[in-house]
Amino acid sequence: AQSVAQPEDQVNVAEGNPLTVKCTYSVSGNPYLFWYVQYPNRGLQFLLKYITGDNLVKGSYGFEAEFNKSQTSFHLKKPSALVSDSALYFCAVRDSSNTGKLIFGQGTTLQVKP
Amino acid sequence: NAGVTQTPKFQVLKTGQSMTLQCAQDMNHNSMYWYRQDPGMGLRLIYYSASEGTTDKGEVPNGYNVSRLNKREFSLRLESAAPSQTSVYFCASGYRGQAEETQYFGPGTRLLVL
Repeated sequence: AQSVAQPEDQVNVAEGNPLTVKCTYSVSGNPYLFWYVQYPNRGLQFLLKYITGDNLVKGSYGFEAEFNKSQTSFHLKKPSALVSDSALYFCAVRDSSNTGKLIFGQGTTLQVKP
Repeated sequence: NAGVTQTPKFQVLKTGQSMTLQCAQDMNHNSMYWYRQDPGMGLRLIYYSASEGTTDKGEVPNGYNVSRLNKREFSLRLESAAPSQTSVYFCASGYRGQAEETQYFGPGTRLLVL
């Protein structure tokens, strides 16, 4: 079965420190992976995606993600966290049925403290 | 460009009442989706429409119906609301040209069923 796991409900980090939000996936075939961010009372905003090619993907707001095929992971990273990065982050994988459907992880709350 | 818009933003229903959630996109996308978001469960797909005139069930379709009115609009109907349908509902759209399609989300509708 296809699935996405975000093992941490919450990640706490001090402003200026690097941050990592973890994601692992299980899918048949080539994985198409996405990260979205949700600010309070808002819809999801697209951050970045991995389709093919370079394992390090750069996205919006200084975020990047590292694809690791052997570990089936797609961790979200940022070198220096900002208080304004505090939000709910979702990892998602494209369903292999090629219908466009996304399978989402349960979400990780990132809390950046001054 | 307004992107993806949803109405209403918030609704309170009594058990057994019906209502329709509206969604429209102005990005000329072919695919449209309805998700529900519940705490700790990420987003789950209710229904989707790969193109105008077609609709298909997602992961949690029971209790819902959809209509793809035209290329721009995709509505979600609750015929007889139940407390279990209390949730935040998100509409999304995507170009559906290729598997790496990015989905863009509306601001959401918060539904409370009493």
